[in-house]
Parts: sequence; C-alpha cells; structure tokens
Amino acid sequence: NAGVTQTPKFQVLKTGQSMTLQCAQDMNHEYMSWYRQDPGMGLRLIHYSVGAGITDQGEVPNGYNVSRSTTEDFPLRLLSAAPSQTSVYFCASTEGGTSFYGYTFGSGTRLTVV
Amino acid sequence: ELKVEQNPLFLSMQEGKNYTIYCNYSTTSDRLYWYRQDPGKSLESLFVLLSNGAVKQEGRLMASLDTKARLSTLHITAAVHDLSATYFCAVDGSNDMRFGAGTRLTVKP
Repeated sequence: NAGVTQTPKFQVLKTGQSMTLQCAQDMNHEYMSWYRQDPGMGLRLIHYSVGAGITDQGEVPNGYNVSRSTTEDFPLRLLSAAPSQTSVYFCASTEGGTSFYGYTFGSGTRLTVV
Repeated sequence: ELKVEQNPLFLSMQEGKNYTIYCNYSTTSDRLYWYRQDPGKSLESLFVLLSNGAVKQEGRLMASLDTKARLSTLHITAAVHDLSATYFCAVDGSNDMRFGAGTRLTVKP
C-alpha cells in the first residue's frame, strides 16, 4: 500500500517554463488536494477535487491548473513558472470531503524557480 | 473566511518541562486536526478532534477541543528531544482544511 505518491521530489525550473507535478493515490480516495507550504504561512490550498471530473479552486489558485480524469491521479500543472512559485508542494487525499481520519499527505515536491 | 491562528510560532523547551500550544479559529467547525512535521518531511496525522470537549492523548501529547471558544490546545508533558518538530493545527472549511502557520518546537537537553 503506497498511499500518496508524488513525483518528482525536487525540481528546478527557469522562469517561464511549464511543468507538471504528479500525484497518485492507491486508497480509492474521492477527495484530493494540492497545498503549497511556505515558511511562516502553514499550508495553503491551491486546488482540490471531490471526485473524478470535478475540480475547484482553493485559496491560491493563480498560475496553476489541475484535472482529475481518474480517481487515482491528480496532477498539478504550472503554466509559466515564476519565482513566487518557489515552494514545497504537497498532495493530500482523504475518503470523502473532509475526513474523519484526517488527510494522507504525499512526501512533497520541493520546487525552485530561478 | 476561516482563519486559523497558532501560538506560539516558535517554542524552545527544556527536556522534562511542560508546555501548551494554542490554536484559535474564526468560524464554527466540527473537526480539528493536529499534525506533526519533521524537517524536510511530510505531515503526519496526530489527532482528529470531532466534538466539543474531545480530548485525545498519545504518549506525552494531549489535545483538546473547545468548539464554543473555537480553541484547541496541544499539551506537551515532560518534553523529550524526540518531540522536536513543527506542529500544525488545521480546521475543516467548507471543502478544504485550513492550516495554522505552525509551531516550531525545539526541545533542548
């Protein structure tokens, strides 16, 4: 049981480049979300999905796109990377809506935009 | 808008001492979570508090929830070095979980 798997673990991008952060879970969770973590600011929600084909914006969605074609996968796309997107990104999942058991987090992707 | 505030943000403790981390939130919520994060690692779920007056304990950590005061506490008893980490509280929003800024705890010998 792998839980939530994120790739890559580290990435350096140049300003203006695009890339996709991958997230996959094998727990059949309906709800998946992407957070970014910046020093002193906790975790802020970027986008979330309550099931395949359904996505919505969170607190800080600008500059990011998501899609949810399957229950298992929830990729996060950076359209044109900016230095302000330097952060640690976490994908999380839970059974449905907000969870009795809390969220399961991936190991994170540390992104640097230069 | 749901806001979650933790204090203190930084806490340096001596081993063997007791201390409490506070988590206040701005709107009604039925669930509150505590997570632990070690440096460079992901978040690990510690407690899920589901109702007013809920209290949960695991080892030297005890969490409680007062939904009327919109306050949760994480009490540390007889701290040991292994408890050094960043602790986050989080509260259910309408479709997401809102996090506090985190409390970085350092336990010194």
